[in-house]
Amino acid sequence: AQSVAQPEDQVNVAEGNPLTVKCTYSVSGNPYLFWYVQYPNRGLQFLLKYITGDNLVKGSYGFEAEFNKSQTSFHLKKPSALVSDSALYFCAYIMTTDSWGKLQFGAGTQVVVTP
Amino acid sequence: NAGVTQTPKFQVLKTGQSMTLQCAQDMNHNSMYWYRQDPGMGLRLIYYSASEGTTDKGEVPNGYNVSRLNKREFSLRLESAAPSQTSVYFCASKSGTGGTGELFFGEGSRLTVL
Repeated sequence: AQSVAQPEDQVNVAEGNPLTVKCTYSVSGNPYLFWYVQYPNRGLQFLLKYITGDNLVKGSYGFEAEFNKSQTSFHLKKPSALVSDSALYFCAYIMTTDSWGKLQFGAGTQVVVTP
Repeated sequence: NAGVTQTPKFQVLKTGQSMTLQCAQDMNHNSMYWYRQDPGMGLRLIYYSASEGTTDKGEVPNGYNVSRLNKREFSLRLESAAPSQTSVYFCASKSGTGGTGELFFGEGSRLTVL
């Protein structure tokens, strides 16, 4: 079955340290890849996406992600985490052949940034 | 600019009762979606509507019906609620067709079925 996997339920990091949230995908063909963030009791917000081109994509709030086709990964990174980055992060994909944009989500990774 | 608005935000139902979740977007988007969020399972697509007048099933459509009333509004109906439908429901919209656009989400409707 096609899917994205987020292997860590929770990531703990101290404020000021680098933050990495992992995502791997298992799909046949070429996907578009996305990261969304959900703050407590809120809807999801778009962070960034990989469509084509440069493997390093930059997004909102200082986040970036690197598409690695050989490792089928799309890890989310931030050089220096803030307490306000504490939230639930979702990796998601759409097949490039999907005309209707049906986004498929991973299970999510809870990020906790401590002061 | 309100974006995507969902009502109600909270609802408690008894098993067998019916209810409709309302969703409206003011961004003139063509596509609209209903997802449910359950712990450890991410978001799963219930139904979607690629354009006004069209709807189609997603991953978990059983027990739900939808109506795309016009371009702005997309409602989700539970005809006979079951405890397994206890969840947080999110409506989303996207401009255009194809997969490259980003989704805009409402703030969610938390439903408890007793």
